[in-house]
Amino acid sequence: QVQLQQWGAGLLKPSETLSLTCAVYGEPFGGYYWTWIRQPPGKGLEWIGEINHTGSTKSNPSLGGRVTISVDMSVNQFSLKLSSLTAADTAVYFCASPAKPGRRRNGLLSWDQGTLVTVSS
Amino acid sequence: IVLTQSPGTLSLSPGEGATLSCRASQSLTSNYLVWYQKKPGQAPRLLIYDAFTRATGTPDRFSGRGSGTDFTLTISRLEPDDFAVYYCQQFDYPPYTFGQGTNLEIK
Repeated sequence: QVQLQQWGAGLLKPSETLSLTCAVYGEPFGGYYWTWIRQPPGKGLEWIGEINHTGSTKSNPSLGGRVTISVDMSVNQFSLKLSSLTAADTAVYFCASPAKPGRRRNGLLSWDQGTLVTVSS
Repeated sequence: IVLTQSPGTLSLSPGEGATLSCRASQSLTSNYLVWYQKKPGQAPRLLIYDAFTRATGTPDRFSGRGSGTDFTLTISRLEPDDFAVYYCQQFDYPPYTFGQGTNLEIK
């Protein structure tokens, strides 16, 4: 099973850009849909977007085009950038992956523990 | 696609059965509907995919059913560890949206 470990800045100011990176261990990097999810305090889960090993991405239009997801296969990592931050972007951010390569329909099986990102002046 | 879960909160006692609903704003033609369990401070745990298939390690007390726009997660013989928030997610069409969650709490 895939193991994921995430890092990035936890306190940012409004208008700044969030940058998180997730490292993948335990399985070949190729073929998976590497995914970002977030959960604002006291609220539900929100799908941010995904990327595969070829760099093909999908993201949630509700985030207004502020999302950039990239991948670096040489080090088995994928990254999230979210620009023009506001307080509404304060959330726990998770990186996740499906159970099997190419099978997002099987649900997100592997998750990291999440990183709280706070946006405050 | 908007997923609407009901009820928002369900108060039950251990040993009872729970039925959670997830309704999609348009038909999931492939029925790629997933259920997760979420506890505070933890990552979500995958329970069910393809609407009814249990993920590895999911007890058979958890069962999913439904198709099209209406899906349910049934938990029989509730155990103390089952009390959590449950989310559905669809993978038929991007963005792969979640429901707002059902909070299953101890009565």
